[in-house]
Amino acid sequence: GEDVEQSLFLSVREGDSSVINCTYTDSSSTYLYWYKQEPGAGLQLLTYIFSNMDMKQDQRLTVLLNKKDKHLSLRIADTQTGDSAIYFCAERRISGGSQGNLIFGKGTKLSVKP
Amino acid sequence: NAGVTQTPKFRILKIGQSMTLQCTQDMNHNYMYWYRQDPGMGLKLIYYSVGAGITDKGEVPNGYNVSRSTTEDFPLRLELAAPSQTSVYFCASSYFQDRPAEQYFGPGTRLTVT
Repeated sequence: GEDVEQSLFLSVREGDSSVINCTYTDSSSTYLYWYKQEPGAGLQLLTYIFSNMDMKQDQRLTVLLNKKDKHLSLRIADTQTGDSAIYFCAERRISGGSQGNLIFGKGTKLSVKP
Repeated sequence: NAGVTQTPKFRILKIGQSMTLQCTQDMNHNYMYWYRQDPGMGLKLIYYSVGAGITDKGEVPNGYNVSRSTTEDFPLRLELAAPSQTSVYFCASSYFQDRPAEQYFGPGTRLTVT
């Protein structure tokens, strides 16, 4: 299966909070990222967290990291229709010969209903 | 800065044809990457480069070649196109590997092989 796993779909109402979850497998990963992809566009970095942190907040975004369970989540407060997109979790591995490349999950499609 | 630019945006190839996907970045980034994104999947790394004259294979390199003669350009070559190479191709670049190393993505090239 995929090394980085995410649920494929999430639907919320405008104004509610969205929580997108991700699990990863490599305990040596140094950074974990959330990317956003809007239709027909490339990926845009939303936020990241260093592996020795357990929480990071950036305006409406809150990232929680449970390193013991290798679980990462992205919470979007007051979700807006403009937040509708696909959200990718990615881990950056330094171990082995990977040269610190990113491993992406399949993405979670967030649909925001007015 | 234009960031990361890719050409063409769309292309249809016949089986066995060849083509080059162009990628240029104007941010003086040393690292560049090529990914493919299949429907409903995350990004898979094809090739990457840590600087001019240096390239290395990623997770799915078969059927592709790259070169990096300048810092700015990182073309991806398909020699004998196959239907399995139908995908959206993203080029990305980043500055450091020992920091969060945000990867900046181009808008993508949608390739269909029939």
